[in-house]
Amino acid sequence: LAKTTQPISMDSYEGQEVNITCSHNNIATNDYITWYQQFPSQGPRFIIQGYKTKVTNEVASLFIPADRKSSTLSLPRVSLSDTAVYYCLVGDNPRNTGFQKLVFGTGTRLLVSP
Amino acid sequence: EAGVAQSPRYKIIEKRQSVAFWCNPISGHATLYWYQQILGQGPKLLIQFQNNGVVDDSQLPKDRFSAERLKGVDSTLKIQPAKLEDSAVYLCASSPAGLAGLGNEQFFGPGTRLTVL
Repeated sequence: LAKTTQPISMDSYEGQEVNITCSHNNIATNDYITWYQQFPSQGPRFIIQGYKTKVTNEVASLFIPADRKSSTLSLPRVSLSDTAVYYCLVGDNPRNTGFQKLVFGTGTRLLVSP
Repeated sequence: EAGVAQSPRYKIIEKRQSVAFWCNPISGHATLYWYQQILGQGPKLLIQFQNNGVVDDSQLPKDRFSAERLKGVDSTLKIQPAKLEDSAVYLCASSPAGLAGLGNEQFFGPGTRLTVL
């Protein structure tokens, strides 16, 4: 079962770049790395997903080294509204059913201050 | 595009009572998930449907929890009887497919906050 480890919390200020690193030493060949964001009283929201190297979208960048045992979510120029919990997930398919199962950890609580 | 709909948003019941939650996924999404999220923790998958068939229910407490997805669209999750430790937010999510090796985004609903007294 692929497991992820990420910092429990991080603090930042508006306008700064935030990098959240996640380790997943047991990632499987078929697993994608996915990051979700969750605000209070809301369901998680997809941010970005990657398999290897670098992925960038309008919200964030995801850096994945060649061994894929870790990944880093980069949020450029954060604002107060980026205060949320960020989850790093890798797909899991323990019964080889062909269906991917996401296992959420406790996530990283990011607090952005003025 | 309409998102995942859930109802009710809040529910308060006493222990040993029954409760049911409803979920309407995004139109055309074949895969539907129910998660339980206890305060301070990440969501935990309870059950996953592909169309109207169960793919994974390994973490569903089957002595008290049940779920169905008739006709492969809407789904209901039931708890009978409820215990104090069932107090949590119950999230429903859907995705177009769930094939291994394909990173499919899951779209989450707002959740139902259950309080068991």
